[in-house]
Amino acid sequence: GAVVSQHPSWVICKSGTSVKIECRSLDFQATTMFWYRQFPKQSLMLMATSNEGSKATYEQGVEKDKFLINHASLTLSTLTVTSAHPEDSSFYICSATASGRGRETQYFGPGTRLLVL
Amino acid sequence: GQQLNQSPQSMFIQEGEDVSMNCTSSSIFNTWLWYKQDPGEGPVLLIALYKAGELTSNGRLTAQFGITRKDSFLNISASIPSDVGIYFCAGLFSGGYNKLIFGAGTRLAVHP
Repeated sequence: GAVVSQHPSWVICKSGTSVKIECRSLDFQATTMFWYRQFPKQSLMLMATSNEGSKATYEQGVEKDKFLINHASLTLSTLTVTSAHPEDSSFYICSATASGRGRETQYFGPGTRLLVL
Repeated sequence: GQQLNQSPQSMFIQEGEDVSMNCTSSSIFNTWLWYKQDPGEGPVLLIALYKAGELTSNGRLTAQFGITRKDSFLNISASIPSDVGIYFCAGLFSGGYNKLIFGAGTRLAVHP
């Protein structure tokens, strides 16, 4: 149980285009999902917290107009990188919170590698 | 802000050796999680700890939630080549939307 999927697994796009990444919790409902970004040989950096039915909460320094987040349902959150530039190339990973018996655990998707040319 | 200090940064060991890594923080966490990340993939949950003092095993892995709730360790016994990867500790910060705070990771290499 507690499987999180991401689509696509990798994407190459031209500078200036927008890219949408989907994150789905496959076998549980997640009121909260998180979006991370990871550069080579570094730890995960939280970009934003996505809540079903409300606006996302962005971390300091993350542009909300550039990284649009939509949490359309309890099993789906999307991240859209608008007007992508080469510096947006990175590994984007989502996670979803599973709760049970008062305990919370975060499960991660397999990640999406974005390369902007 | 909350920070986790994870050590060591990297380890290069012989197959069969035991491994130990730990995380400390100046903040108190309600939950400690240990993940393993293989290249090009998302982190996979290894062990979750929910109570101070809790000691939990998952096969050859053992992790403990420190009594002060500010630290945790992960041990791997009898390492094998597939243990290679990056191990991250993460503390669940119970403020707002329960954000995870990550350590910098321990990169493990196992020599056959």
